Amino acid sequence: DGGITQSPKYLFRKEGQNVTLSCEQNLNHDAMYWYRQDPGQGLRLIYYSQIVNDFQKGDIAEGYSVSREKKESFPLTVTSAQKNPTAFYLCASSNPGMGASEKLFFGSGTQLSVL
Amino acid sequence: RKEVEQDPGPFNVPEGATVAFNCTYSNSASQSFFWYRQDCRKEPKLLMSVYSSGNEDGRFTAQLNRASQYISLLIRDSKLSDSATYLCAVNKAAGNKLTFGGGTRVLVKP
Repeated sequence: DGGITQSPKYLFRKEGQNVTLSCEQNLNHDAMYWYRQDPGQGLRLIYYSQIVNDFQKGDIAEGYSVSREKKESFPLTVTSAQKNPTAFYLCASSNPGMGASEKLFFGSGTQLSVL
Repeated sequence: RKEVEQDPGPFNVPEGATVAFNCTYSNSASQSFFWYRQDCRKEPKLLMSVYSSGNEDGRFTAQLNRASQYISLLIRDSKLSDSATYLCAVNKAAGNKLTFGGGTRVLVKP
C-alpha cells in the first residue's frame, strides 16, 4: 500500500543532542513537508521541499535542518539550537499543481520529548 | 491577526444535534481551502475540500464565503465518533504551502 512512513513513533532527546526524524513516502509525490504541532495548537510549517535537492524554510525553521537527496525521503534533524523541541512532528507529501488533488497526505507522526 | 483563525472550542454537542463552526483567513488571494479531522495524537486526515459553490459529503457540509473571508463546516446528526479536532487549511496560491488554523475541538456527548 502507498503511504508515508515516519519513524520512530516516540523519540527522546538529551540536552545538546541532535536527533533525526525519518520520513519516507512511496506515493511518488514531488513535494514533502515537515510540520510541528504543540499541544492544543495547529500545525506550523518547519521546512518544505517541492523537488529533489531543493528545500525552503517554513515559518519556524530555526533550530532545524533537512535534506532531500531522494524523492522518497525527507529527514528532519532537530539540532541542539532548538531550545524547545518537545512537540508532535508530522511529515506530509503532495503533488502540487494537480488541481483538486493538491491535498496533503500525512505520516502518523513522531512525538519528540526532551529528557 | 493570524493568517488562519479558528475558535478552539470545545463545542459540546448532544448526540444527534447539528453543530457548525467557522474558520477565518486573512489573505484575500487564498485559492484552496480544506477541512481536516484530527484525533488525539494522530495525523490529520482530509475530511473535505471546500469549493466556491459549497459541497456536501453525507452529514458534512462545507461552505466558502469569499466576501467575508471564512469557510464553515456543518455537521448534521452528530455521532459520538465525530468527536475530534477539526483543522482548516488554506493555500495562498498554487504550490500547496498550506497554512493551518489552530483547530476546533468538538465533543459529542450521549
